[in-house]
Amino acid sequence: GAGVSQSPSNKVTEKGKDVELRCDPISGHTALYWYRQRLGQGLEFLIYFQGNSAPDKSGLPSDRFSAERTGESVSTLTIQRTQQEDSAVYLCASSLGRSDPLFFGPGTRLTVL
Amino acid sequence: RKEVEQDPGPFNVPEGATVAFNCTYSNSASQSFFWYRQDCRKEPKLLMSVYSSGNEDGRFTAQLNRASQYISLLIRDSKLSDSATYLCVVNMGFGNEKLTFGTGTRLTIIP
Repeated sequence: GAGVSQSPSNKVTEKGKDVELRCDPISGHTALYWYRQRLGQGLEFLIYFQGNSAPDKSGLPSDRFSAERTGESVSTLTIQRTQQEDSAVYLCASSLGRSDPLFFGPGTRLTVL
Repeated sequence: RKEVEQDPGPFNVPEGATVAFNCTYSNSASQSFFWYRQDCRKEPKLLMSVYSSGNEDGRFTAQLNRASQYISLLIRDSKLSDSATYLCVVNMGFGNEKLTFGTGTRLTIIP
């Protein structure tokens, strides 16, 4: 079956521009996570959606970052007024439910010039 | 204390050797545990879940020690293809089922 997909796979933008990253989770998966991974670094948790519960936004690094999820489907991560330190791979993952293993998408590589 | 801690390594191990990693977690109420591997410039992939009774998948064995709050991963007869970063993942327990990743342990198998 189809796995988690993310688009675009690569995004190059200029400092100050807004970007929107998209994640299509595995169908039927109620949990969805966004992570950021800078080159050579570990995963940095950003936000967690679980069903209809309020999202856990505790990992968002600043108010320039926001994310939405429509029901139990597509999620978008928006970064406003991008900065060079936002350059990283943004990974999305979904799971069937609470505490089930996560399945990752291939990521979006963001480069801010 | 970090919620999930791993020795970052690097571990440089000769081919054919046995290598073991530990991962400690802070919340005694944690219920779900996993090991992932991440290859360079790739997304993490599930290696195995960790069950209370321990579990084995080929050359890989995962164990849980609730009393000391750690999980372990043992790789026997290591192969060059085992070179990767190994991430442990733990949920934070009842009322907070969010999965938390350790920072990973880098393993290099040397020919």
